[in-house]
Amino acid sequence: AQTVTQSQPEMSVQEAETVTLSCTYDTSESDYYLFWYKQPPSRQMILVIRQEAYKQQNATENRFSVNFQKAAKSFSLKISDSQLGDAAMYFCAYRRPGRADTDKLIFGTGTRLQVFP
Amino acid sequence: KAGVTQTPRYLIKTRGQQVTLSCSPISGHRSVSWYQQTPGQGLQFLFEYFSETQRNKGNFPGRFSGRQFSNSRSEMNVSTLELGDSALYLCASSISGRGQETQYFGPGTRLLVL
Repeated sequence: AQTVTQSQPEMSVQEAETVTLSCTYDTSESDYYLFWYKQPPSRQMILVIRQEAYKQQNATENRFSVNFQKAAKSFSLKISDSQLGDAAMYFCAYRRPGRADTDKLIFGTGTRLQVFP
Repeated sequence: KAGVTQTPRYLIKTRGQQVTLSCSPISGHRSVSWYQQTPGQGLQFLFEYFSETQRNKGNFPGRFSGRQFSNSRSEMNVSTLELGDSALYLCASSISGRGQETQYFGPGTRLLVL
């Protein structure tokens, strides 16, 4: 079964600094999608960034970027110029369409990010 | 556009009761997925509905069921509640549920079973 692993339960960063959150996944597929979601204390899940496995170029959304290493099955999230509003739980997720057991978001256990002023 | 809405936001039930949660997707979205979030098990997929048909189902007992209406609104029902059903239930909508589409989440319904 596909699994998503986030090995850092908690991370902290100083405001305006850069932090990287790690994610690894296990799959034998070559075509899939990866996502980072943010869940602030309000509990509403918000998409931060997504990556298509067939694209070699790393996705970027403003201060958020990913380092996608397909062969290593690694998908880390880099947050630059951290802001207090970035404090939240961050979930890495995998989805592989076309198969019932993977055609859904499979989430990691999450990383709690604290941002200090 | 209005986002995904879920009602009620909070719910307290006792063991053995049943509960119905509602989810209204973003206008134009026809796929609705449900997830359960607990501290112990994390985020787990319950089921997905598209055009009033269940398209995929997670590994949950038959006490968990759902349906989707012609306007794409979805409900999930949990019968014979157990203490372990206490969780945050999230629904997410997308246009057609295809894997590359972004799923937009609602604020969730927090269920407490006593």
